[in-house]
Amino acid sequence: NAGVTQTPKFQVLKTGQSMTLQCAQDMNHNSMYWYRQDPGMGLRLIYYSASEGTTDKGEVPNGYNVSRLNKREFSLRLESAAPSQTSVYFCASGDTGYTGELFFGEGSRLTVL
Amino acid sequence: GDSVTQMEGPVTLSEEAFLTINCTYTATGYPSLFWYVQYPGEGLQLLLKATKADDKGSNKGFEATYRKETTSFHLEKGSVQVSDSAVYFCALPKDGGTSYGKLTFGQGTILTVHP
Repeated sequence: NAGVTQTPKFQVLKTGQSMTLQCAQDMNHNSMYWYRQDPGMGLRLIYYSASEGTTDKGEVPNGYNVSRLNKREFSLRLESAAPSQTSVYFCASGDTGYTGELFFGEGSRLTVL
Repeated sequence: GDSVTQMEGPVTLSEEAFLTINCTYTATGYPSLFWYVQYPGEGLQLLLKATKADDKGSNKGFEATYRKETTSFHLEKGSVQVSDSAVYFCALPKDGGTSYGKLTFGQGTILTVHP
């Protein structure tokens, strides 16, 4: 009963390095999302994919790219990491129907020095 | 634009105390409203929801009533347990409520319950 799986759980980068956060869900959901969580600011939407083959910008997309590899997988890439991208990143998935529930992964804590 | 404001935290209570976490919102129309909970070291999970005015969402002893006249969705529990220690987020859909995955979250309220 895996749900939403994110890797890695922890990562330390130097400014300018690149990395990819991986996310996979096994609930056959159409939609997937990447959020970042910063202290005192709740969660903010970075990018989302309403269905396989589509991606769209969210509230804070600058400095990120995404790939919806297939229905299960949605990756987030930082091409040139900056200290402002130090955060906890959450992947989520959900139906596009009326259930109103998002399922979240356990999060990936990224530190950029 | 749409926004959610939660009461300032952290909140510290003794076991069996009454809990209220305030949430007010600004939105176009009458969107569905949600409370999500994040236990230590875990991702968020849906706690309860309400889809229209005067609805009451409930789960695990928690309740929240959708009040359109006060634009509020306050979370309450009559008797908290140590296991309720977590971060609680109020949320509503962006874009007038057309997508339940694109959520606007409040800043979160940290709850600590002592034995």
